[in-house]
Amino acid sequence: GAGVSQSPRYKVAKRGQDVALRCDPISGHVSLFWYQQALGQGPEFLTYFQNEAQLDKSGLPSDRFFAERPEGSVSTLKIQRTQQEDSAVYLCASSLTGVRHRFSGANVLTFGAGSRLTVL
Amino acid sequence: TQLLEQSPQFLSIQEGENLTVYCNSSSVFSSLQWYRQEPGEGPVLLVTVVTGGEVKKLKRLTFQFGDARKDSSLHITAAQPGDTGLYLCAGASYGGATNKLIFGTGTLLAVQP
Repeated sequence: GAGVSQSPRYKVAKRGQDVALRCDPISGHVSLFWYQQALGQGPEFLTYFQNEAQLDKSGLPSDRFFAERPEGSVSTLKIQRTQQEDSAVYLCASSLTGVRHRFSGANVLTFGAGSRLTVL
Repeated sequence: TQLLEQSPQFLSIQEGENLTVYCNSSSVFSSLQWYRQEPGEGPVLLVTVVTGGEVKKLKRLTFQFGDARKDSSLHITAAQPGDTGLYLCAGASYGGATNKLIFGTGTLLAVQP
């Protein structure tokens, strides 16, 4: 597609429910990032994929968070046993190039519109 | 942990005024980007600065990267209501397994007509 597509755009979950958030990156983009953004704050890094390989998951806040990108395109962020503190916008971004090299300014990230998760 | 502090956190000004947003860190970054984010949308890249001391202009927006590559500023001349949004700086660091972007704390700008 022309841009990064995320679904659902809005998700309301009861505390304890599992949720799955989907990201469709731009076709052919190698890198895929997940970020978590609280209202009015800057996004915080969660995890990074280069193709199907999850190279960095240092930002995942707990073992309830799990991400996958099995075929190197679509990615899913899963949150198990949701808690109220998980309420946030989850942003996905993709980039044409891999990042195992010095950032050249050409590593432009294109963000999706995000999935807003509200845990009651 | 690398932190990028932005100031001010909130800014409400009248159309036609000038403003400057600051982005500061104790860490050195290989490059720094500025994004603008509107409600219900993802951040959109405005500019990338790579060289210490670099200045880039984008119409009424002027971006500067500090000489030591630890800080940056965004200056908007004659602000317009269309400039309203959340402004984010984001730094990319050297080395490591990934050059992930570290985002700043954000500056929420409201330009009143």
